[in-house]
Amino acid sequence: KAGVTQTPRYLIKTRGQQVTLSCSPISGHRSVSWYQQTPGQGLQFLFEYFSETQRNKGNFPGRFSGRQFSNSRSEMNVSTLELGDSALYLCASRPGATNEKLFFGSGTQLSVL
Amino acid sequence: AQSVSQHNHHVILSEAASLELGCNYSYGGTVNLFWYVQYPGQHLQLLLKYFSGDPLVKGIKGFEAEFIKSKFSFNLRKPSVQWSDTAEYFCAVNPYNNNDMRFGAGTRLTVKP
Repeated sequence: KAGVTQTPRYLIKTRGQQVTLSCSPISGHRSVSWYQQTPGQGLQFLFEYFSETQRNKGNFPGRFSGRQFSNSRSEMNVSTLELGDSALYLCASRPGATNEKLFFGSGTQLSVL
Repeated sequence: AQSVSQHNHHVILSEAASLELGCNYSYGGTVNLFWYVQYPGQHLQLLLKYFSGDPLVKGIKGFEAEFIKSKFSFNLRKPSVQWSDTAEYFCAVNPYNNNDMRFGAGTRLTVKP
């Protein structure tokens, strides 16, 4: 089985631009979660989708949004980029139940200049 | 939402030393608990997990963790560390009834040969 795939692997943007990141979960997984990883802050939870519905949301501003498609693939969008948005964005999937582990992708490294 | 605290940001040990990494969480209900590890240049991967039953759980590579409900703690231990344990370790908490998994800030472990 292929793992969680995130594209692109690296992105460089400038302040004010917007960006879309993509995540393809493991086949059969219906839950997709997004995290922002920065040194010293660990993994900050962005949101979780299940069957195209956002079920959980972290404490990020409205500039951060996401969606999930019927094939469970997910995208997250960040509008009006700020320098502080520079981070590794991780996507993780699991079949659906809460007692299952998350399978992580390699992440998208976003640099905002 | 639940929160997770990891007390140690960076731990430096010599090989064969014993390891204990602290993790405390705040959440009033039943939780599932996890420890993940991120080796340099690799994906986050599961070390061990606790759902119910024996509060002492064993994971891969000789790691174990003990859930102490009264202290809201889930500390990670290993009797004798190896150089290859050098990595970043993340504690995570997931309420029993949803898919909202929150992570601590992480502890960077450096093991000197």
